Parts: sequence; structure tokens; C-alpha cells
Amino acid sequence: TQLLEQSPQFLSIQEGENLTVYCNSSSVFSSLQWYRQEPGEGPVLLVTVVTGGEVKKLKRLTFQFGDARKDSSLHITAAQPGDTGLYLCAGYFGNEKLTFGTGTRLTIIP
Amino acid sequence: DAGVIQSPRHEVTEMGQEVTLRCKPISGHDYLFWYRQTMMRGLELLIYFNNNVPIDDSGMPEDRFSAKMPNASFSTLKIQPSEPRDSAVYFCASSLRVVTEAFFGQGTRLTVV
Repeated sequence: TQLLEQSPQFLSIQEGENLTVYCNSSSVFSSLQWYRQEPGEGPVLLVTVVTGGEVKKLKRLTFQFGDARKDSSLHITAAQPGDTGLYLCAGYFGNEKLTFGTGTRLTIIP
Repeated sequence: DAGVIQSPRHEVTEMGQEVTLRCKPISGHDYLFWYRQTMMRGLELLIYFNNNVPIDDSGMPEDRFSAKMPNASFSTLKIQPSEPRDSAVYFCASSLRVVTEAFFGQGTRLTVV
């Protein structure tokens, strides 16, 4: 069973600060996705990364896929209250099963 | 398309009763996933289908859980008999192919008392 560990589990910071959250696995990902989930809703896709070392940017969010494809990070610059939510990484491990990480619950304080 | 549609949004039932959760995936999507989310265990994959065929049900916790997909536009997850520890939010998701975006429904919040 593949396990995706995310850290930190909880993060609370002031508006305007920068932050990074992490996703790690002992197995190699075929591809990795980041989702954000808001209360009462299902997760919504932010990005998919496939190639080791790949970096993708989505406005103030920067996603990096590790060279060995076993880890990923999400960096948010100048966090805003609208960034509040549960951030989930999810990976395919050479099969069709989309396995989710444990999640990072982010709170941005105005 | 209206997205993935789940019903009901909320379900409260007594222990021992049968519960049926319903899902309508996005038209044309080949894959359908059922997940369960709790604070303790996060988002767990229960079962997934490819072209209406169950491929992997290794995440189904017990024989009390069963899932069907009689056609491309409908799937059910049934719990019989239900127990308080089944209380969770159950999500259905569909995707066009592997590695593409999984679109989630709004979930069914199940409470078993």
C-alpha cells in the first residue's frame, strides 16, 4: 500500500506571509496532483505534475515535483484569506488508483 | 455538464439500517471512484470502476459495503447493515482517463446513530 505523507498537518499564518507544504512517499509516482478542498465541497484539482524536477506556477502558487518523483512541494507567496482550505496531494503509482495524502489544513489569518 | 452529482447530501440513519448512496458521473468519463473521508483517516479510496466494471475493491472495509455500476451514468454504494463507525463523508469522483483530473461530487455526509 502506497502512503503519501503530507506536512505540516496544520498551518496557520498571517496574510501576506509565504509558506511551503510538502508531500512525500516511499514509492515513485507515475504522476502527482494537488487538490484544494473547501468546507462542504469535494476536492478541486490545482495542478498535475508528471516529469521529475518539473515546476509549475499557478498565480501565487508554485508546485515542484522532486527529481526522483517521490516528493512534491507547494509554495504559496503572499498568502491571502482565500487560500484557506485543505490541500491534498494525490498520486498514481503506476496503476489506475488515485491515492490521496493525509492533507495540510491551511488557515490564513487576515 | 452539471458535474458529478451525488445524493443524498445528508443522511442520518439508525444502526443496523441499510444505506444507499448514489452517484451520477460526468458523461463520457471512463473512471468512477468512491472515497470515504474522515478526520482520522483522511480520504480513502474504497473502490473504482473502469467502463462500469469494478477494477479494485481492496479499499472496501468489510462485506457490509458493496458498490455497483449498472450503466455508465449511475453508481451506488450500499452499506448493510450500517454501524456508527461508518459515519463519514462519502465522495464519488469521475475522470476521463487515468492521470487526468478527477472531478468530485459534493459528497454525502452519513451519520449512523
